Amino acid sequence: NAGVMQNPRHLVRRRGQEARLRCSPMKGHSHVYWYRQLPEEGLKFMVYLQKENIIDESGMPKERFSAEFPKEGPSILRIQQVVRGDSAAYFCASSPKGQGVPETQYFGPGTRLLVL
Amino acid sequence: AQSVTQLGSHVSVSEGALVLLRCNYSSSVPPYLFWYVQYPNQGLQLLLKYTTGATLVKGINGFEAEFKKSETSFHLTKPSAHMSDAAEYFCAVTNSGGYQKVTFGTGTKLQVIP
Repeated sequence: NAGVMQNPRHLVRRRGQEARLRCSPMKGHSHVYWYRQLPEEGLKFMVYLQKENIIDESGMPKERFSAEFPKEGPSILRIQQVVRGDSAAYFCASSPKGQGVPETQYFGPGTRLLVL
Repeated sequence: AQSVTQLGSHVSVSEGALVLLRCNYSSSVPPYLFWYVQYPNQGLQLLLKYTTGATLVKGINGFEAEFKKSETSFHLTKPSAHMSDAAEYFCAVTNSGGYQKVTFGTGTKLQVIP
């Protein structure tokens, strides 16, 4: 059973370009979470999605950031018009279900975004 | 609202010595608590978690943590450090209400000295 997969592992963008980060949850998991880790900081929650639904995006910046988890295919975190402050590691996690006694969230290896 | 405070961003121990990483939490409802480990350039791996029941929780790689409600603490310990334990450790909290929005601490980097 493959773990959570993220690609690309490393992404370099110039200011103003778009960054698109992909996350494939573990098989059987229908809940996806995105986190951002800035240098020397812990992980910060960004968004929680189920298939075709955004459940909580309270951690997402209001502008330039969007996320989706379509019925088919991976979850996508999109950052438009990237700025240097977007440079960070972006982690995706998945779980079988979102409520009740906490299911363990399984983390992917992350995408390290560098904005030049 | 919930939060986690990890005391000490860097901890150094000698190989074979006791490992103690401190975590205090704040939660308005009964918390669920986690410790994760992150090796360089990798994702987070769950070490252990506390939900309900026994307050002393045993995890992988010989780690354990004790939930102390009176002290709002969930410190991580290991009796004898190995070189392979060198990594960054994150304490995290969520709660029983709603879905699992997990709040992470800022992390503690553990250095193991030979």
